[in-house]
Amino acid sequence: QVTLKESGPGMLQPSKTLSLTCSFSGFSLSTSGMVVSWIRQPSGKSLEWLAAIDWDGDKYYNPSLKSRLTVSKNTSNTQVFLKITSVDIADTATYYCARIAAIPLFDYWGQGVMVTVSS
Amino acid sequence: DVLMTQTPVSLPVSLGGQVSISCRSSQSLVHSDGNTYLHWYLQKPGQSPQLLIYRVSNRFSGVPDRFSGSGSGTDFTLKISRVEPEDLGVYYCLQSTHFPLTFGSGTKLEIK
Repeated sequence: QVTLKESGPGMLQPSKTLSLTCSFSGFSLSTSGMVVSWIRQPSGKSLEWLAAIDWDGDKYYNPSLKSRLTVSKNTSNTQVFLKITSVDIADTATYYCARIAAIPLFDYWGQGVMVTVSS
Repeated sequence: DVLMTQTPVSLPVSLGGQVSISCRSSQSLVHSDGNTYLHWYLQKPGQSPQLLIYRVSNRFSGVPDRFSGSGSGTDFTLKISRVEPEDLGVYYCLQSTHFPLTFGSGTKLEIK
């Protein structure tokens, strides 16, 4: 059973760095072809793909945010992390992590973690 | 980036009825490998998106055959027959042919 769960600070101030964790089970990120991605959704709006890391440690970023994003994983391949620097109000959103397996699409999603940027 | 345009924005429906949602892309979604990576998701209220249809017309595991997808190139359609209460929510298309991956703006299916 594939499960993913996001965790994060809930609220942070503008200009700070947002750190998010995706903990997952039911699959191994060390398996060839596996990818974990981050996607976000401001309240009432559509979805935006942010970043991804694959089984080989290769990293992919949305060019529109690339300068502010860092994706990484732990050595046991059970968690993926996302850092977003210099946050502002526009980064207020629900952040999801999701799996990509054989086909480039998100087949399993976490429940999401809401992040509010406010002074 | 590939722009994904969904219509309509809102779609009132009677339970048991049939509806269609359109998704149009600003570029062809035919990949160099010959596949078309256009997928459909449903986001129920308060939940994460869930995969319905992948690669235009393939139903994901457990998705009822009331859902069907069609289209090619830049023009795609999701059809829902015999609408049930559990079908209500926001539908999104996603393209993964081109980098970066992009989603449509969403279509909200609601009771008439």
